[in-house]
Amino acid sequence: SQQGEEDPQALSIQEGENATMNCSYKTSINNLQWYRQNSGRGLVHLILIRSNEREKHSGRLRVTLDTSKKSSSLLITASRAADTASYFCATQAGGTSYGKLTFGQGTILTVHP
Amino acid sequence: DTAVSQTPKYLVTQMGNDKSIKCEQNLGHDTMYWYKQDSKKFLKIMFSYNNKELIINETVPNRFSPKSPDKAHLNLHINSLELGDSAVYFCASSQDGSRLAKNIQYFGAGTRLSVL
Repeated sequence: SQQGEEDPQALSIQEGENATMNCSYKTSINNLQWYRQNSGRGLVHLILIRSNEREKHSGRLRVTLDTSKKSSSLLITASRAADTASYFCATQAGGTSYGKLTFGQGTILTVHP
Repeated sequence: DTAVSQTPKYLVTQMGNDKSIKCEQNLGHDTMYWYKQDSKKFLKIMFSYNNKELIINETVPNRFSPKSPDKAHLNLHINSLELGDSAVYFCASSQDGSRLAKNIQYFGAGTRLSVL
């Protein structure tokens, strides 16, 4: 079954605004990652947060993780037109999975110039 | 140099044909993967190999057969193609796919398969 559910499915904002995407998952995790996919391209890793971390920053990206609620959020500050892409969360399960990543369905972000 | 490269980029074929997609990574990674992305962009893992050994084999029809001649290459052969096989197939690699490691994956650009 699909591990990650993302919300919203699509987000449209103006350049300079902040964009927030949410991800929920169902089972215990080792870490949670966010990836970006530009149209017609492969996924690119953005940021990883471990299960014992609550917040992580990388440039204009801020990720939070709440393991009690099994949810994560990705905040992109001061968005640019070049941020237009699909964003996916992916969970790496704890336990016996051999490092398998399970992806959510993604949020399509459109940033208007 | 492209880190993870897969060929071809586009593949258009008739139902019932057999086709292969090739993948190569020059990152020195131990683990490689095949994913299928459907029309709704849902990305689902199909197979994973670690040092040429199959470690993940999801519920995939046995018409799909991965082959890893060495740890830098993972090819996907598909027999008797069906309409439902139309999708984008992504190859990926990671340094260490073990469950104890941070499994950050690097993706190829994808192969868009259209079965007519």
